[in-house]
Amino acid sequence: EVKLVESGGGLVQPGRSLKLSCAASGFSFNDYWMGWVRQAPGKGLEWIGEINQDSSTINYTPSLKDKFTISRDNAQNTLYLQMSKLGSEDTAIYYCARGTAGFFDYWGQGVMVTVSS
Amino acid sequence: DVVMTQTPVSLSVSLGGQVSISCRSSQSLVHNNGNTYLSWYLQKPGQSPQLLIYKVSNRFSGISDRFSGSGSGTDLTLKISRVEPDDLGVYYCGQGTQYPLTFGSGTKLEIK
Repeated sequence: EVKLVESGGGLVQPGRSLKLSCAASGFSFNDYWMGWVRQAPGKGLEWIGEINQDSSTINYTPSLKDKFTISRDNAQNTLYLQMSKLGSEDTAIYYCARGTAGFFDYWGQGVMVTVSS
Repeated sequence: DVVMTQTPVSLSVSLGGQVSISCRSSQSLVHNNGNTYLSWYLQKPGQSPQLLIYKVSNRFSGISDRFSGSGSGTDLTLKISRVEPDDLGVYYCGQGTQYPLTFGSGTKLEIK
């Protein structure tokens, strides 16, 4: 069974950094692109970015490229999202998802990030 | 960026009925390789999104044949037939043809 479990969320002050993790199991992690999608409270889905199997290609949505960094550790079957200079607009549920040719076939349960003083 | 416009914003249907959700893109979703990377997701209340349809019309593993996708270019449609209680939630279309990937704003399905 494919399983994606995010962690690392919580309350963070504006301007600070936070690193999310996504533990993958049930499939060969190093065979797949992986991505992050977020959802602000009561809003729709926003694609953050994705990383290929060997981390040689990482794509971001332009507005977040200078704030967020995606990485992965294939030995640990873990995907990461490093977020910096956080603002209230970054308050959202963050989902990791397995990518397959332009779509996401499995999603984690999500982790909440709240940016507030 | 490719803008995905979903209509209607919400709809209400009786059990056993049929609905269609439209997704229009600001640019053609046909990739240089000939594929059209348009997918549909359902987000049930309190849950993460789940994949229903990929590449316009391919049902994901375990998805009922009551769900069907069609269309081409910039005009795509999701049809749900014989609506069941478990179908309620918000439906999103998403394009993976061009970076950045983008999603529609969602269509909320309610059961009468």
